[in-house]
Formats: sequence, structure tokens, C-alpha cells
Amino acid sequence: NAGVTQTPKFRVLKTGQSMTLLCAQDMNHEYMYWYRQDPGMGLRLIHYSVGEGTTAKGEVPDGYNVSRLKKQNFLLGLESAAPSQTSVYFCASSYTPNTEAFFGQGTRLTVV
Amino acid sequence: RKEVEQDPGPFNVPEGATVAFNCTYSNSASQSFFWYRQDCRKEPKLLMSVYSSGNEDGRFTAQLNRASQYISLLIRDSKLSDSATYLCVVNRYNQGGKLIFGQGTELSVKP
Repeated sequence: NAGVTQTPKFRVLKTGQSMTLLCAQDMNHEYMYWYRQDPGMGLRLIHYSVGEGTTAKGEVPDGYNVSRLKKQNFLLGLESAAPSQTSVYFCASSYTPNTEAFFGQGTRLTVV
Repeated sequence: RKEVEQDPGPFNVPEGATVAFNCTYSNSASQSFFWYRQDCRKEPKLLMSVYSSGNEDGRFTAQLNRASQYISLLIRDSKLSDSATYLCVVNRYNQGGKLIFGQGTELSVKP
């Protein structure tokens, strides 16, 4: 069972470069989430989606864009990477907001 | 003020100890509550959901007090394998399902 898969797992970017993180889930979940985790800050919600074709802002959306063109995929884009975006990024999905959220293994991004 | 706040850690306890974690949330519209566990540099995983009546799963007991907007997790007879970071999670279902995490409390169980 694949569950939630994130690609890539590691990436180093130069300031100003762009990249897209891919999250794929095979559980037919409606809800998907992107978080970033920094030391001492816990997980902070960047953007989330309540179904195919929908997206919404979370706690820290600035500098990121997302798309949910297919139900199983949730893409997180960085148009112009900044060192402040150095973090571990986690994607998650759930069937409903009241049920367990399953997480991917994380993407460790460094912006130099 | 963060929407979900937890006790600052770390908690260092001996094996066999009982340890309690506290969490408060600021939005009274919050509707679903969870405790997740995160091992070092790994993804978070659900430990247990928290119900209004309180619920227990083996050595773990979770309580919810909606009036005080407070959630707790009690771990009895701590094991070395309980060492991890415990995350309090709140969901505002009426606002489209925002799943908000506290900053986490680190637990270290020593022999």
C-alpha cells in the first residue's frame, strides 16, 4: 500500500529558483494538506484542499501556490525560492476532516 | 497567540512514570480533536482521536473539555518506546477542514 507519496525527498535550491513538490495519494481521499515544519514551530498549514479543483489558504501561504487538478494529486509550488523557505515539507490526506490524516515521508528542502 | 498551544517540553521521565500533556485551543468553533505522535525526523502518525466523553486506548487516555477549550493526554507506565514528540491537533470543520497542529511536546523516557 503506497498511501501518501511525496517527491522529491530531498532538494537543494538556489535563491530565486522555482520548484514543484508533488503529493500523491491512492486512498481516494477528498482532503489534502501541505505543511511546513521548522524547529520549535510544529507543523504550520500552508494550503489545503477539500476536493478536486479546490484550494484554500492555511496559516502561512505567502510565497507558495498549489493546485489540485486531479483528486489524487496536490502540488505545492515555490515560484521564487527564498532561504526562509528552507524547511521540511509534509503532505497529508484524509477522507473527512474528522478522520485520520495520513502523512507522506516529507521533503527536506534547503534554499541557499 | 497560536490557535493551538501545548505545554513546552521536553519532558524527561523514568520508565514506568505517568506523564500528562496539556493543550489549549483558541477557536471555539473547533470540532475534531486528535493526538498525533512524531518520531525524530519522521512523519506524524495518529495516536488517538479525542472524544467529548473521553477515551482510553491501553496506557493512553485522552480527555476533552469544550467549556475550557482544553485537551489532555495521559500516558501511564511509560515505556522507552514512548519517547517521541506528541502533537495536539484541532480541526475547524465548519471552515472547510483546516487541520491545525500545536507546536508539539517532546517526551524522553529514560531507563
